[in-house]
Amino acid sequence: SQTIHQWPATLVQPVGSPLSLECTVEGTSNPNLYWYRQAAGRGLQLLFYSVGIGQISSEVPQNLSASRPQDRQFILSSKKLLLSDSGFYLCAWEGPNYGYTFGSGTRLTVV
Amino acid sequence: AQTVTQSQPEMSVQEAETVTLSCTYDTSENNYYLFWYKQPPSRQMILVIRQEAYKQQNATENRFSVNFQKAAKSFSLKISDSQLGDTAMYFCAFISGSQGNLIFGKGTKLSVKP
Repeated sequence: SQTIHQWPATLVQPVGSPLSLECTVEGTSNPNLYWYRQAAGRGLQLLFYSVGIGQISSEVPQNLSASRPQDRQFILSSKKLLLSDSGFYLCAWEGPNYGYTFGSGTRLTVV
Repeated sequence: AQTVTQSQPEMSVQEAETVTLSCTYDTSENNYYLFWYKQPPSRQMILVIRQEAYKQQNATENRFSVNFQKAAKSFSLKISDSQLGDTAMYFCAFISGSQGNLIFGKGTKLSVKP
């Protein structure tokens, strides 16, 4: 069966520090992968999606970037974090019939 | 552009009773999929139920069912025999069958009271 792993679960980083969040999927090949951000008490905002290795599409301009170095690995990065980057980050992969399966999320606090 | 609207920011229901969460969407497409996701306090996003737009029959998953009104672009979720574990944020979501990504509403916070 397919599983999705996301880490770390919680992260507290100072302003100006770098960021790397990792997401990996098991049990499937060439998945469509997604990064969402959820601000406190709000809905989900799509940040990036990828349909294959090295293929990244950005939905909103921001301080973040994404990479897909391997088929089942999706990384969210930043060179210098801002206070506004705080939030809950979710990785997802698109399964059959367009249903998305989400990772357990990363709670990022920038201080 | 497609949009998803959940007009009820918060709702509450007594344990064992039935509650209905509302969702409307806007699209010019004929082929699409609709979903309800549950996000409990753990914040894990869990798929509750799925509806294909080409299917007239409303989807049902145990205590969860939907009322899909395609012409009205309405997709409500009914939770029967509410349980304390149903306490969560519920998100309605839409995806086109031809292109695009999953679009979420802003969510409804449901509290089940003992």
